[in-house]
Amino acid sequence: EAEVAQSPRYKITEKSQAVAFWCDPISGHATLYWYRQILGQGPELLVQFQDESVVDDSQLPKDRFSAERLKGVDSTLKIQPAELGDSAMYLCASSPGRVGTGELFFGEGSRLTVL
Amino acid sequence: GNSVTQMEGPVTLSEEAFLTINCTYTATGYPSLFWYVQYPGEGLQLLLKATKADDKGSNKGFEATYRKETTSFHLEKGSVQVSDSAVYFCALLIQGAQKLVFGQGTRLTINP
Repeated sequence: EAEVAQSPRYKITEKSQAVAFWCDPISGHATLYWYRQILGQGPELLVQFQDESVVDDSQLPKDRFSAERLKGVDSTLKIQPAELGDSAMYLCASSPGRVGTGELFFGEGSRLTVL
Repeated sequence: GNSVTQMEGPVTLSEEAFLTINCTYTATGYPSLFWYVQYPGEGLQLLLKATKADDKGSNKGFEATYRKETTSFHLEKGSVQVSDSAVYFCALLIQGAQKLVFGQGTRLTINP
């Protein structure tokens, strides 16, 4: 069964350092999402791609976060510099269509701890 | 704004008990509603959905009915199993938008 792949699963870093997360969606899925999930809370959308284009990054802290999906396939989320409040689970999800159906396929997530 | 409120957890039940996890929403327009589940060590996965008022979503013995009059989408199961232990998230999708808005999640533990 096809899955969304994310790496690394766990990352510990010190504040002010740079961090990067990688996501490979299910093959053929046009839409890719990055969500942030703080412990005890629900996921919050950071950025959404349609193919290689950003369609929603309204909640992405653009002073320190960046995301790209250069060839419309895999994607990278970067944080520079990391702050203590960035400690969270970063979830990648994909969906096959270009029209929102709400049916997302999630990866296992990348857990970030900032010391 | 658009938001989802779930019942506070954690919820602990014995095997074969009846389960209800409450979910209410605030939305403009007519959202689609979802329940996602996250089993230990796994990613979130879609459990069930309903796209219009009075629709009932069902899967794996779980059910939820879209109640427009009470803006609710409560999750129910008649007889829970230990394997149902997980975190459950209620979510909504606004028509014309493409992003899900999640509730805060409810952790469910089923004891044998």
